[in-house]
Amino acid sequence: GAGVSQSPSNKVTEKGKDVELRCDPISGHTALYWYRQSLGQGLEFLIYFQGNSAPDKSGLPSDRFSAERTGGSVSTLTIQRTQQEDSAVYLCASSLTGSQTGELFFGEGSRLTVL
Amino acid sequence: AQSVAQPEDQVNVAEGNPLTVKCTYSVSGNPYLFWYVQYPNRGLQFLLKYITGDNLVKGSYGFEAEFNKSQTSFHLKKPSALVSDSALYFCAVRDRENSGYALNFGKGTSLLVTP
Repeated sequence: GAGVSQSPSNKVTEKGKDVELRCDPISGHTALYWYRQSLGQGLEFLIYFQGNSAPDKSGLPSDRFSAERTGGSVSTLTIQRTQQEDSAVYLCASSLTGSQTGELFFGEGSRLTVL
Repeated sequence: AQSVAQPEDQVNVAEGNPLTVKCTYSVSGNPYLFWYVQYPNRGLQFLLKYITGDNLVKGSYGFEAEFNKSQTSFHLKKPSALVSDSALYFCAVRDRENSGYALNFGKGTSLLVTP
């Protein structure tokens, strides 16, 4: 398909384990975002990548969270030593450019449940 | 700082009636404003945006929104609701002059259209 692809769609893990969530953006899109959606909390910005520029990590909630984007395409969000409060849907979005006026195209999300 | 408020957690409308989903924003500069819709178990989809110019913006699926600078509002409207419009609606803002690239989302409003 031509949309943003995220995997896994569902992940159940035990507290203290590490998890990796993958995002494959729309081909040619240079900007990539990670958001977290928790029940009743709306969408929380986590991190933003634009081309080869240094990422904007200002939304990462703790040093247990990290993300990388290899080759300007696929991105991986890693959560180390997961906690129950990390349970949420993690959404990835891409945009054609880093323009402030551009709309974001979202994947269907990765639902993380930490037991 | 930039933020968005969606004062209603849920809006209930009968099919065929007009609908309004409210959004107010707070930015230190001038805003770029967006509406997104999320259908059950799906990612967010772009509906419409205000960048500049005409305060009334028309978007997908017959939706429109009016930018009101004096009231710092960007309410989403539709003249005649459909049952298929039932979904979660998010308002989002970027501060034109003072933000990075993060799009700040509200907590969402659940719209229920009954037959």
